[in-house]
Amino acid sequence: EAGVAQSPRYKIIEKRQSVAFWCNPISGHATLYWYQQILGQGPKLLIQFQNNGVVDDSQLPKDRFSAERLKGVDSTLKIQPAKLEDSAVYLCASSLTGGGFGEQYFGPGTRLTVT
Amino acid sequence: SQQGEEDPQALSIQEGENATMNCSYKTSINNLQWYRQNSGRGLVHLILIRSNEREKHSGRLRVTLDTSKKSSSLLITASRAADTASYFCATDGGANNLFFGTGTRLTVIP
Repeated sequence: EAGVAQSPRYKIIEKRQSVAFWCNPISGHATLYWYQQILGQGPKLLIQFQNNGVVDDSQLPKDRFSAERLKGVDSTLKIQPAKLEDSAVYLCASSLTGGGFGEQYFGPGTRLTVT
Repeated sequence: SQQGEEDPQALSIQEGENATMNCSYKTSINNLQWYRQNSGRGLVHLILIRSNEREKHSGRLRVTLDTSKKSSSLLITASRAADTASYFCATDGGANNLFFGTGTRLTVIP
């Protein structure tokens, strides 16, 4: 089966600019996640969708980050305006079951550099 | 924080040796998972062990779980250069999402 697709793979922007990432999960996976992974650390969950509804966005910096999952399939994550500390790899993952109850499948990630 | 912590932070071994890494966590869990991350294949699920299980095997991987000590270990036997990667434990913390640890960076020297 096709894996989780993400684009772009790399993005370099200046601080205060905006950026958007796209994710297409594995077909049939109801749950979609966005993680932020700062260099040298483990992934940190930003937001979790179940179909097109938000299950958990408690760690999403809502003053600058937004995410949506239209029609319960593809998802976009946006940062506006970006800060230097947003430099990280943004990982999208999907799973059949919700949360921590089963295996999550990760995309290749988008490496964001904010200068 | 519900985040787990892996130990050691870095590990370097010769090909053919066994590698053991440990994970400690703070809250009760439903299950614990181990993931591997390398530049070639990204973040990949290795094994899931449920809170009522004590040991699980998958190929050259052996995972143990001690819920009384809130700890888990991952053993990779007969290591190969291709096992070079970062290894993360992830717990659900009884909640509806995963909390990843800081990772162990394993280097297998050919």
